[in-house]
Formats: sequence, C-alpha cells, structure tokens
Amino acid sequence: GAVVSQHPSWVICKSGTSVKIECRSLDFQATTMFWYRQFPKQSLMLMATSNEGSKATYEQGVEKDKFLINHASLTLSTLTVTSAHPEDSSFYICSARTASGGADTQYFGPGTRLTVL
Amino acid sequence: AQTVTQSQPEMSVQEAETVTLSCTYDTSENNYYLFWYKQPPSRQMILVIRQEAYKQQNATENRFSVNFQKAAKSFSLKISDSQLGDTAMYFCAFKDSNYQLIWGAGTKLIIKP
Repeated sequence: GAVVSQHPSWVICKSGTSVKIECRSLDFQATTMFWYRQFPKQSLMLMATSNEGSKATYEQGVEKDKFLINHASLTLSTLTVTSAHPEDSSFYICSARTASGGADTQYFGPGTRLTVL
Repeated sequence: AQTVTQSQPEMSVQEAETVTLSCTYDTSENNYYLFWYKQPPSRQMILVIRQEAYKQQNATENRFSVNFQKAAKSFSLKISDSQLGDTAMYFCAFKDSNYQLIWGAGTKLIIKP
C-alpha cells in the first residue's frame, strides 16, 4: 500500500516552454501533497505544500507564478514549470501525506528529471 | 526552528556487518514523528522506519531498528546483516506540526561485497 506515482519520469524541453508533472496517490487519498526539488548529492528542498481544493503554500524563495501547483482531487496534484529555463533543470519529487494506521507519513513518488535545453 | 543533523557524510561496511547511522535533532515540541528514508541510485525515496516520540519502545522493521533517545534528541538507525541492496543515501527526517519534513543532509552508505 501507499504507492505514489509520478509522470513523466523524465522530460527534456526547450527553454521558454512549459512542463507539467503529475503526482498521484494510487491506493489512498491524500489531503496534502508536497513538492520537492533535489540538487545532486543534496537533501530534498521543499518547494510547496498542496492541499486539496485550496491554493498551495510556497516556501520562501519559490516563485509561485513560475511553479504552478494544482491539487484538483484527493489523489492528484500537478506541478507546472512555466517558461522553463536551464536553471530549472533539476530532479523534482512529490510526496503524499497519509495518516492511515495512525502514523502520519509521507510517501514519495519516483521523481521527475527535468532537463531544459 | 527545528533542525536535523547527520554527522556522517559517508560510511562503508562489509556485507553482513552491522552498521549504525547517527541522527540528532533539535525541537521544542513534545509530540512528533521521526523517520529514516532510503534513497538508492534509482532516486526513489523509500520509507525505512518511523518512530512516534510518545512511544518509548524503539521501532523495528526486520533488519532495521532505531535507538531513540528522546532526552538526548538522538535517533540512530541500526542495520543488521547488511546487504548489497542496502547501498543508498539515508536521510533522517523530523515531522513538524505543519506536517512538513525537516531533513538531515544524508549519509551515503556503501555495502562492500
């Protein structure tokens, strides 16, 4: 149980285009999903917290107009990188929170590697 | 502010040995969760084990166990009978009252055949 999928697993795009990444909780409902960015050999950096049906909460320094987050249902959140530039190239990971079984835990998607040319 | 510290950037042990990864944290909260996650070369973040602060008993999951010392704010992970598949980055994390995870810098664990 507690499986999170992420699509696509990798994407290459041209500078100036937009890219959408989907995050789905497959066997549970997630009222809260999180979006992270991970640089090589570093820990995860939280970008935003997404709650179903409400606006996402962005961490300081993260441009909300550049990284659009939509949490349309209890099983789906999307991250759209708008007008992508080479500096946006990174590994993006989503997680979904569940308190099933009484233990509040985040389960992670497999990540999306974004390369902007 | 809560912080999580992993003081061992890299560790290396022989297959079948036991290894302990250290983690300390700082918080003023009394009820919280602590986690160890594993990130193998595939980069999929996998939950290894979790501990609820109000539980005195140390969590155990097969070959993985923790030594949770609440007063010392220490949360170490012990891997027994280590296997080649245990090679990965291991991250210690603390869940704050906003349900966000505060991450340590990670420990790269290499299991040698």
